[in-house]
Amino acid sequence: EAGVAQSPRYKIIEKRQSVAFWCNPISGHATLYWYQQILGQGPKLLIQFQNNGVVDDSQLPKDRFSAERLKGVDSTLKIQPAKLEDSAVYLCASSFRGPGEQFFGPGTRLTVL
Amino acid sequence: GQQLNQSPQSMFIQEGEDVSMNCTSSSIFNTWLWYKQDPGEGPVLLIALYKAGELTSNGRLTAQFGITRKDSFLNISASIPSDVGIYFCAGQLYGNKLVFGAGTILRVKS
Repeated sequence: EAGVAQSPRYKIIEKRQSVAFWCNPISGHATLYWYQQILGQGPKLLIQFQNNGVVDDSQLPKDRFSAERLKGVDSTLKIQPAKLEDSAVYLCASSFRGPGEQFFGPGTRLTVL
Repeated sequence: GQQLNQSPQSMFIQEGEDVSMNCTSSSIFNTWLWYKQDPGEGPVLLIALYKAGELTSNGRLTAQFGITRKDSFLNISASIPSDVGIYFCAGQLYGNKLVFGAGTILRVKS
């Protein structure tokens, strides 16, 4: 069974630029999550989708971050414009139903200069 | 908000030693998960616990869901070099989001 796919694996941008990350969850998993992991910390949930609807985006900085999952399968997370403090690993995870056993992708390491 | 305190923050072990780490919270959870993260990779699920008092093993790993529902423990027996990495606990209350601890860094003494 293929795992959660993410791309790109690494991205370096300058502050105020835009960036987008892509995620393809495990086949059949209805729930998809985007997490931000700052160095030395555990993952922090940014947004949770159930199929193509948003379940929880309470910790998403909506002035600069946006995410979509239009067809209920793959998803994109965008940052526009990026700030220095956005430097982190962005992890995508999926689960069959709701929260519980979540399976993570390899992450995208973002560096904002 | 909910916070998880994970300890120790880091530890050095000798190959062959047993390892213990734990996670505590001021809030109760009904699910505890333990993940391992290697450098440059996403967290990998090791053990999931769903009932207070539950003791579950996965090879050399054993985890327990505390009776108070506010803590969990992970033990690794007879550690080997590939056990090196960061171990995260995560708690969940019913349908709410997972809350992660800050991680325990496991290093092997050379």
